[in-house]
Amino acid sequence: EAGVAQSPRYKIIEKRQSVAFWCNPISGHATLYWYQQILGQGPKLLIQFQNNGVVDDSQLPKDRFSAERLKGVDSTLKIQPAKLEDSAVYLCASSLDIAETQYFGPGTRLLVL
Amino acid sequence: AQSVTQLGSHVSVSEGALVLLRCNYSSSVPPYLFWYVQYPNQGLQLLLKYTSAATLVKGINGFEAEFKKSETSFHLTKPSAHMSDAAEYFCAGGYSGGGADGLTFGKGTHLIIQP
Repeated sequence: EAGVAQSPRYKIIEKRQSVAFWCNPISGHATLYWYQQILGQGPKLLIQFQNNGVVDDSQLPKDRFSAERLKGVDSTLKIQPAKLEDSAVYLCASSLDIAETQYFGPGTRLLVL
Repeated sequence: AQSVTQLGSHVSVSEGALVLLRCNYSSSVPPYLFWYVQYPNQGLQLLLKYTSAATLVKGINGFEAEFKKSETSFHLTKPSAHMSDAAEYFCAGGYSGGGADGLTFGKGTHLIIQP
């Protein structure tokens, strides 16, 4: 079974530029999560989707971050404009349904200069 | 709000020695709890999961964890450390409250194995 796919794996941008990350969850998984992992810290939830609807985006900085999962399958996370403090690894996870085990992708490592 | 605390950002043990990584949670509702392992430049891999079926949970690679409600703890152990166990370990908690079940992670413990 294929795991959670993410791209790109690495991205370097300058502050104030925009960037987008893509995630393809495990086939059949209804729930999709985006986490931000800053160096030396544990992952922090940004947003949770159930199919194509948002369940929780309380920790998403909505002035610069946006995410969508239009067809209930793959998802994109965008940052516009990026700040230095956005440098982190962005992890996507999926689960069969709510309260099921979350499986993580390899992450996208973002460096903002 | 739920929180997860991992005691010790770095733990060093000798190869063959007991591994003990500590995790405490705070929650008014008994949560479900996880241990994940992260190798360099990789995503998180599930080690084990507690869902209230049994207090002693066995995971992959010889790891196990015991849920102790009286101590609000979920410590991870392995009887004999192997060099391949060197990695970052994260304890995480969550509970399905109205459908929002994003995990709350501890800050992680870096496990170092001395030869």
